[in-house]
Amino acid sequence: LAKTTQPISMDSYEGQEVNITCSHNNIATNDYITWYQQFPSQGPRFIIQGYKTKVTNEVASLFIPADRKSSTLSLPRVSLSDTAVYYCLVGDSGAGSYQLTFGKGTKLSVIP
Amino acid sequence: ETGVTQSPTHLIKTRGQQVTLRCSSQSGHNTVSWYQQALGQGPQFIFQYYREEENGRGNFPPRFSGLQFPNYSSELNVNALELDDSALYLCASSLWGLANYGYTFGSGTRLTVV
Repeated sequence: LAKTTQPISMDSYEGQEVNITCSHNNIATNDYITWYQQFPSQGPRFIIQGYKTKVTNEVASLFIPADRKSSTLSLPRVSLSDTAVYYCLVGDSGAGSYQLTFGKGTKLSVIP
Repeated sequence: ETGVTQSPTHLIKTRGQQVTLRCSSQSGHNTVSWYQQALGQGPQFIFQYYREEENGRGNFPPRFSGLQFPNYSSELNVNALELDDSALYLCASSLWGLANYGYTFGSGTRLTVV
């Protein structure tokens, strides 16, 4: 399973765009990159998933360079409710025994 | 569509006791996995069940065991509780073959061992 590295914490003001970068140098060919959001005393919530280039949904964008050794989660115009821990995960989305490997995540604090 | 529900939400046990935590999977999901999350850490994989069989296990001792029932609900059993077992226990369900994309987590059970 590929190991991921992301900043421990980040601060941002309301209304700003936030970019959280994750490094995954030993990503495998079949691995997908997935981001989860977690609020205190709640389970993680799926945000976005991608394999290469750029993926966008209603809440975030995910940028993946050609070498796929890193990825950047972009949250547009954050609000106070985006204060949470964000996890970057890398793994094979195919069938077979599979486990989600979480690191310590990035604690995002949004300031009024 | 119902999500993943876990019970109880909070639990206090004494060291050496046994505990059973319960999870009801999201409708249509046939795979369930359990995670332990200590304070300030990311969730750690305990094990996964698919069609009532364990098909993956993390680095946890045998006193952590589980069951998955025909309706895809699940239990996590922990014997001989230790103080370090105090944590948030999370259940996640998914549809086999859509592992990454399809994981839906419950809100967890907060277990305190005293």
